[in-house]
This record gives sequence, C-alpha cells and structure tokens, in this order.
Amino acid sequence: DARVTQTPRHKVTEMGQEVTMRCQPILGHNTVFWYRQTMMQGLELLAYFRNRAPLDDSGMPKDRFSAEMPDATLATLKIQPSEPRDSAVYFCASGFLGHLNTEAFFGQGTRLTVV
Amino acid sequence: TQLLEQSPQFLSIQEGENLTVYCNSSSVFSSLQWYRQEPGEGPVLLVTVVTGGEVKKLKRLTFQFGDARKDSSLHITAAQPGDTGLYLCAGEGNNNDMRFGAGTRLTVKP
Repeated sequence: DARVTQTPRHKVTEMGQEVTMRCQPILGHNTVFWYRQTMMQGLELLAYFRNRAPLDDSGMPKDRFSAEMPDATLATLKIQPSEPRDSAVYFCASGFLGHLNTEAFFGQGTRLTVV
Repeated sequence: TQLLEQSPQFLSIQEGENLTVYCNSSSVFSSLQWYRQEPGEGPVLLVTVVTGGEVKKLKRLTFQFGDARKDSSLHITAAQPGDTGLYLCAGEGNNNDMRFGAGTRLTVKP
C-alpha cells in the first residue's frame, strides 16, 4: 500500500536550532508539495517540485527555510534558525498533476514546536 | 495566487440532516479537489473534478464543479457522525500548484 512517509512525526526544539523534516513521496508521482498548517492560516503552500525540479518556493521565508529534493525518494524541508512562530504542522504531499485525474496524497505530518 | 474561499467556516448539524458546503474563487482552475481531514492526520482525497458542470457522487456525497471551473460544492445527504471532520477544497492552477481553502469544520451530532 503506497503512502507518503514523513519523519519525524513530532519535533520539539529550542529557538535558534536547525530543524530538518523528511518526506518519502510515492514513487512515480511527478509532483511533491510542502505545506504548513496552523489554525490561523490553514494550509499554506510553502514549496513544490515537479520531477524533482523546484518550481516555486515563494511561500517560504527565504532567509531561514530551504527545500530540496536530492533524489526521487527523498524531499527535505529545513529551517535554520528556527523561531517560535514556525510552530505548526508541516505536511508533505505527492501526486500526479497536470493530467485529467489529478490527485495528491498527504503524509501524516510533522508537528513542530519551537520553544 | 488563486484564493479559494470556503463557506461556512463551521457547521454543526444533527445526524440525518443534509448539508452543502461551498468553495468559491475568482480564478479558473485546471481541476479542483475535495479532501477530508481528521485530527492528527493529513488530508485524505475524496474526489477530483475536472470538467465544468461535472457532478460526481461518492455514496452520500455529491460534488459539483461550476460551469466556469471557478467554484464547487459538496452536498452530504443524511449526514452521519462519521462524516465529522474538516472539509478542504484545493484548486490546481496553471502552474500545477495546488492551493487550499481554509476549510469547513463539520460536526455531526448523534
């Protein structure tokens, strides 16, 4: 049963520390998304990749966030340095977009708390 | 950036009632998806609609895509407590991005 896997599920860190979140997308999907979810802002699109190439990361604070996809089995989202306002649930999703039956599947998320 | 507005924001009903939630935008989408999210989990895809005017049914759920592909509705017949959750719509833009509305939080009371 193919699924998107995110690690870690929970992360508590101190302000100023580096945080790396990992995602294993479903093989064969051509698009990988990173979202952040908070009660106030809902699901915000941070960045996405098409066939591993970054297409748009305008949703991320550039000075501290970076997203990469070093190979087809791994996408990473890094925050350095982390701040309390980064506390949220971060979701990775992968899908096959750009055709008639677009669908995207989400991981279970990483709940990040920055204290 | 396309903006998707969902209404109502919150909805609380009794088991057996019918309901409709809406997803509206001023932008045209290549496709539109509906998801349901439960606490502690990621959103789960319910349906994708692609063609203007398209209607899709999933058991007691009926999804409609507007003729102009700018809006959509989700109708639930005879709601059950298991339908409780956050219902999210997402639009696929011309750049194959996927952006979400704020969601409708549905509570179905037994």
